[in-house]
Amino acid sequence: SQQGEEDPQALSIQEGENATMNCSYKTSINNLQWYRQNSGRGLVHLILIRSNEREKHSGRLRVTLDTSKKSSSLLITASRAADTASYFCATMKAAGNKLTFGGGTRVLVKP
Amino acid sequence: GAGVSQSPSNKVTEKGKDVELRCDPISGHTALYWYRQRLGQGLEFLIYFQGNSAPDKSGLPSDRFSAERTGESVSTLTIQRTQQEDSAVYLCASSLAGGLAEKLFFGSGTQLSVL
Repeated sequence: SQQGEEDPQALSIQEGENATMNCSYKTSINNLQWYRQNSGRGLVHLILIRSNEREKHSGRLRVTLDTSKKSSSLLITASRAADTASYFCATMKAAGNKLTFGGGTRVLVKP
Repeated sequence: GAGVSQSPSNKVTEKGKDVELRCDPISGHTALYWYRQRLGQGLEFLIYFQGNSAPDKSGLPSDRFSAERTGESVSTLTIQRTQQEDSAVYLCASSLAGGLAEKLFFGSGTQLSVL
């Protein structure tokens, strides 16, 4: 099974609104990362948050991490049509080197 | 090159044939990953190479799948006797150093269609 699971699976919002998606995982992690995928091909790294961090910002992105609940959230503020994509969380376990991805959240931003 | 390069970008094959997919990582990246992504699904880990260490093959779904990497350069993923369920996008990614909380850089993938 996937280490990270995103919720919701799909999200539809109007341009200008905020989009929030969540990721839950099962085992202790070294770090958690969020990626974006357009058109079902290569993924682009968005942000990385380490296990000893609680919140991180990058432009219109805000990521939180709650290790006690084994969960993370990604907030996209003031969404744009260009934010339409699938968003994946990925976790690197505390013991291990591989990055494990969840099933993703498909976000549609309507103009 | 400037990014991770994968070839071919699309491959159509007949059931039972062997296919070979190629990945050129970013120069200097010691870690290389292969993932499989079925339509509308997440990424499924296949195999991980880190420098000269033994690869982590724990994600390979069957003995029909194998991968090689020469040093810290090109990697090839081979699928023997392809089946229709092998149809997917195969993504390669590299990073500066695996296990050190490094972000991955992805190629554009190879879309494999098994008829």
